[in-house]
Amino acid sequence: QAVLTQPSSLSASPGASASLTCTLRSGINVGTYRIYWYQQKPGSPPQYLLRYKSDSDKQQGSGVPSRFSGSKDASANAGILLISGLQSEDEADYYCMIWHSSAGVFGGGTKLTVL
Amino acid sequence: EVQLVESGGGLVQPGRSLRLSCAASGFTFDDYAMHWVRQAPGKGLEWVSGISWDSGAIGYGDSVKGRFTISRDNAKNSLYLQMNSLRAEDTALYYCAKDISPLYGDYWYFDLWGRGTLVTVSS
Repeated sequence: QAVLTQPSSLSASPGASASLTCTLRSGINVGTYRIYWYQQKPGSPPQYLLRYKSDSDKQQGSGVPSRFSGSKDASANAGILLISGLQSEDEADYYCMIWHSSAGVFGGGTKLTVL
Repeated sequence: EVQLVESGGGLVQPGRSLRLSCAASGFTFDDYAMHWVRQAPGKGLEWVSGISWDSGAIGYGDSVKGRFTISRDNAKNSLYLQMNSLRAEDTALYYCAKDISPLYGDYWYFDLWGRGTLVTVSS
């Protein structure tokens, strides 16, 4: 079982909100990790969006709109990237990442379609 | 201009070696840890390796441990990845990425990425 699991795709309408999940493998407690989120558009390298561990330990990337926010669902052992007021330019691949056992681990990515 | 430029990719046969380079400019290179991240064609991101500002701490992903070696030359503002015993599954676009911290082991994030260099392992 992968350390981080993300749904492969998600569709949402312009102006709506999208909730992208990043589920940690059983036995790895989401509460102890900072979760980092990256956005990647076709043909471009990834760009850092934000990190979230708790409401007192979070950070928005430079220039990242406040429409992007992070949270956690402890009951689901998951990190969440919430994008509100979806715009066509938000269509991209989104990756979560944690540092686990001294190594970086990315989730498989979610392709967000805005239509 | 603040940028990272990777080079050294190409077509290589399985079992052979290749050395990637990453040239940094526009920032104080030896103030930051650096990393390699790869992306197989049409696939997701995979962290490969990281190195502290002074090469004092280094880490590798399980899939490359024992085959790849990361290094840096701060006098040349350059990061390297020596890849030995290459396999078909190493085929990927290799990105160089800058950490926000000087230390590998602080476990922060990557705030600057290059555009990548493509490595294709095939006979």
